[in-house]
Amino acid sequence: EVQVLESGGGLLQPGGSLRLSCAASGFTFSSYALNWVRQAPGKGLEWVSTISGDTTTIDYADSVKGRFTISRDNSKNTVYLQMNSLGAEDTAIYYCVKSSGWYAFDFWGQGTLVTVSS
Amino acid sequence: QSALTQPPSASGSPGQSVTISCTGTSSDVGGYNYVSWYQKFPGKAPRLMIYAVTKRPSGVPDRFAGSKSGNTASLTVSGLQAEDEADYYCSSYAGSNDFVVFGGGTKLTVL
Repeated sequence: EVQVLESGGGLLQPGGSLRLSCAASGFTFSSYALNWVRQAPGKGLEWVSTISGDTTTIDYADSVKGRFTISRDNSKNTVYLQMNSLGAEDTAIYYCVKSSGWYAFDFWGQGTLVTVSS
Repeated sequence: QSALTQPPSASGSPGQSVTISCTGTSSDVGGYNYVSWYQKFPGKAPRLMIYAVTKRPSGVPDRFAGSKSGNTASLTVSGLQAEDEADYYCSSYAGSNDFVVFGGGTKLTVL
């Protein structure tokens, strides 16, 4: 059974930093791209970042480029999202999501809430 | 503002069919056969319902069907059931720069 579990969310002040973690199991971790997708309160879904299984392909939404860094440790079946220079606009539930191929996301974690507020 | 345009709401009575549209451009929906649809309940993680425009993952009822014409994709739910009441989001591959873009979501109400 595929499982995806995010952690690391919390409340922090504008300008702060946070690292999210995502532990996955139930599939050959290194063979699949992992993504972060977020949903701000009352808003729709927004793709944030993706990293390929072998880490050769990394991409970011323009809204986070230069502030967020995605990485993964295939020995630990874990993907990370380092978030710096956070602002109120980054307040959202952050989902860790497995790519299925076909540019679709087939397994989602339950999400971790990041709140940026003074 | 979301890259793909969906109607904010849709509704139908039990047993009826309802279609939700998702309009993009030739740079996303129209340019690739990589449209997906997700079902989301409040407080829950999204669930993949359709990928590659028309394909259903295992476990998704065949009442859910996807299609595409030009720059507009559609999700049709046939034989509506109360349990189908949820938010539905479309997404599309948008090339190497934007990767994947989402629609703003459609709240489906079963009357």
